[in-house]
Amino acid sequence: QSVLTQPPSASGTPGQRVTISCSGSNSNIGRNTVNWYQQLPGMAPKVFIHSDNQRPSGVPDRFSGSKSGTSASLAISGLQSGDEADYYCATWDDSLNGPVLGGGTKLTVL
Amino acid sequence: QVQLQESGPGLVKPSETLSLTCTVSGASTSTYYWNWIRQPPGKGLEWIGYIYYSGGTNYNPSLKSRVTISVDTSKNQFSLNLNSMTAADTAVYYCARGKSYFSYWGQGTLVTVSS
Repeated sequence: QSVLTQPPSASGTPGQRVTISCSGSNSNIGRNTVNWYQQLPGMAPKVFIHSDNQRPSGVPDRFSGSKSGTSASLAISGLQSGDEADYYCATWDDSLNGPVLGGGTKLTVL
Repeated sequence: QVQLQESGPGLVKPSETLSLTCTVSGASTSTYYWNWIRQPPGKGLEWIGYIYYSGGTNYNPSLKSRVTISVDTSKNQFSLNLNSMTAADTAVYYCARGKSYFSYWGQGTLVTVSS
């Protein structure tokens, strides 16, 4: 059982915009910034959004992050087949004094 | 360029202790937070624990009784010991740098628990 709650799956057609949610609590998302990771099959996760809404160099601007209260979202616009992957949210938890992660969302491009 | 590389056995017998090492290049293990994260086949990521610059540690409460993370700054390595291994511990084990912004990851190493 993950501390952060994500939908297990999401889907969209090429060109569409999809969002993936991440729900937490006051001790984690409510007080700390959220990071999003993309994991392609057989690969290590790679950070795609950090500090709620910052894109590392090389990540397309089709990816964006937002946060409100104890929930965060990852939005992907202009969906492409190469975006098909698992996506995880993560943040710091002040009660645990450690990181907490979501269970992951499998994105399918139809 | 920061690089992390996991090393250790790919096969562990039930009840035995897993020992993995993460070798870091391009950064010092005497700074930052250094984590172990695992992923059972077909499942999500699970944070195991971290060690940070002062040598302090913190572990996932669900694994705390079985985990030890240590650091050897002279070799720029940090290590994971997980005892009383069972089939449920079969997973890809990753090392990663950061508090929750894991900016650098190792490639991962598959550990299978089987007799």
